Amino acid sequence: GQQLNQSPQSMFIQEGEDVSMNCTSSSIFNTWLWYKQDPGEGPVLLIALYKAGELTSNGRLTAQFGITRKDSFLNISASIPSDVGIYFCAGLLQGAQKLVFGQGTRLTINP
Amino acid sequence: NAGVTQTPKFQVLKTGQSMTLQCAQDMNHEYMSWYRQDPGMGLRLIHYSVGAGITDQGEVPNGYNVSRSTTEDFPLRLLSAAPSQTSVYFCASGQRGGQYFGPGTRLTVT
Repeated sequence: GQQLNQSPQSMFIQEGEDVSMNCTSSSIFNTWLWYKQDPGEGPVLLIALYKAGELTSNGRLTAQFGITRKDSFLNISASIPSDVGIYFCAGLLQGAQKLVFGQGTRLTINP
Repeated sequence: NAGVTQTPKFQVLKTGQSMTLQCAQDMNHEYMSWYRQDPGMGLRLIHYSVGAGITDQGEVPNGYNVSRSTTEDFPLRLLSAAPSQTSVYFCASGQRGGQYFGPGTRLTVT
C-alpha cells in the first residue's frame, strides 16, 4: 500500500528548543494533516493543509504543504513540556477516500 | 457536541469470543473509519465508510466486520477473537480529509 516516510522517528530535545519533523512520499497528496497523540488518548488534529505551498500556523506550531505535493513539514517553536507526545502526519491521496498515516515521531523534552 | 465516543474503554476477551466495539459521532460527518494501533506500527486502517449504507475495507480488514445503518453509528464487530487482535482500537469521523478520533478501546485477547 501507499506509505508515508515520517522522520525522525524520535527526538530528544531541551525545553525551549525548536523542533522540525517531516513526511515524504513518492505519491501526490491532496490533503496533509498533522496529529498529536498523548499517552492513553486518541490522536488530536493539530493542523490541516489543503493546497500545495500552503503554510498554516496554530500557536507555536507551523506546518507546510510541500510544493511538489509529496511532502509536508511541521515545526514547533520554543518547545515546552506539554509538547511531549507522538506526532503523526497523514495524507489523503488524489481521488482517494482514506488517509495514509506516517509511523509517528516521538518527542521527548528534557526540562 | 460530544464529538466521537467509543465504548467500552477496556475489554478482555477469550480466544474465540465475539464482541462489538461501539462508535458514535454527533457531528453529522459522512466519513467514519476504524483503526488499530499497535506498538511501533502507527495507525492501520481496518474499515471505513463514506456514508450510511456504504462500507469498504482498509489495510487490515480480516477478522472484522462493520455496518453503517445510520450516519451517527459505526460499530466494529470481532467475529472470533484471536490474540493477534490485541490492540488499541480508534474510531474516527470527519470530512474533507480532516478526521477526529475517539478516545480508543483497549482490547486484550487471551
